[in-house]
Amino acid sequence: GAGVSQSPRYKVAKRGQDVALRCDPISGHVSLFWYQQALGQGPEFLTYFQNEAQLDKSGLPSDRFFAERPEGSVSTLKIQRTQQEDSAVYLCASSTPQDNYGYTFGSGTRLTVV
Amino acid sequence: GENVEQHPSTLSVQEGDSAVIKCTYSDSASNYFPWYKQELGKRPQLIIDIRSNVGEKKDQRIAVTLNKTAKHFSLHITETQPEDSAVYFCAAPSGTSYDKVIFGPGTSLSVIP
Repeated sequence: GAGVSQSPRYKVAKRGQDVALRCDPISGHVSLFWYQQALGQGPEFLTYFQNEAQLDKSGLPSDRFFAERPEGSVSTLKIQRTQQEDSAVYLCASSTPQDNYGYTFGSGTRLTVV
Repeated sequence: GENVEQHPSTLSVQEGDSAVIKCTYSDSASNYFPWYKQELGKRPQLIIDIRSNVGEKKDQRIAVTLNKTAKHFSLHITETQPEDSAVYFCAAPSGTSYDKVIFGPGTSLSVIP
């Protein structure tokens, strides 16, 4: 596609509910990143993939967070047993060496845990 | 790991004036420094970046300067316009790879008409 697509755009979850956030990167982009952005703050790194390999998951806040990219294209970020502190915008970005590694971000998923 | 600091956190300028935002980083091996602009409610967008083999890069009204010795880099916006109002984030790679970057906390720029 022409850009990075994320769905859903908004998600309201009850505390304790599991959620799944989807990211469809630009076709051919090898690298895919997940960031968490709290209100008024900069994006915080969660995890990243090169193709299907998860190279770094050091930013995942707890074992309730899980990400996958099984075929090296679409990625899913799953949060189990959501808590109020998980409320944030979850941004996905993709990049490629051909574009000098600059990130193209999706519009994000705004998660609100009530 | 990399630590990125950014100043000021907020900045107000009159339309037509210049704006300067400064960032410092901790990892001397870092070699790629992008700047992103995020308008209210929208996604961050890459506006300019610089690599460690140059000291300055310009693109129309925006420029970035890099001082590797002091480990800081700055964004300069000249002839500011109301549409420049946004939050600006600097970033630096975590490690020697360009792939993963760490973002600064952001600078909220307001351009007053």
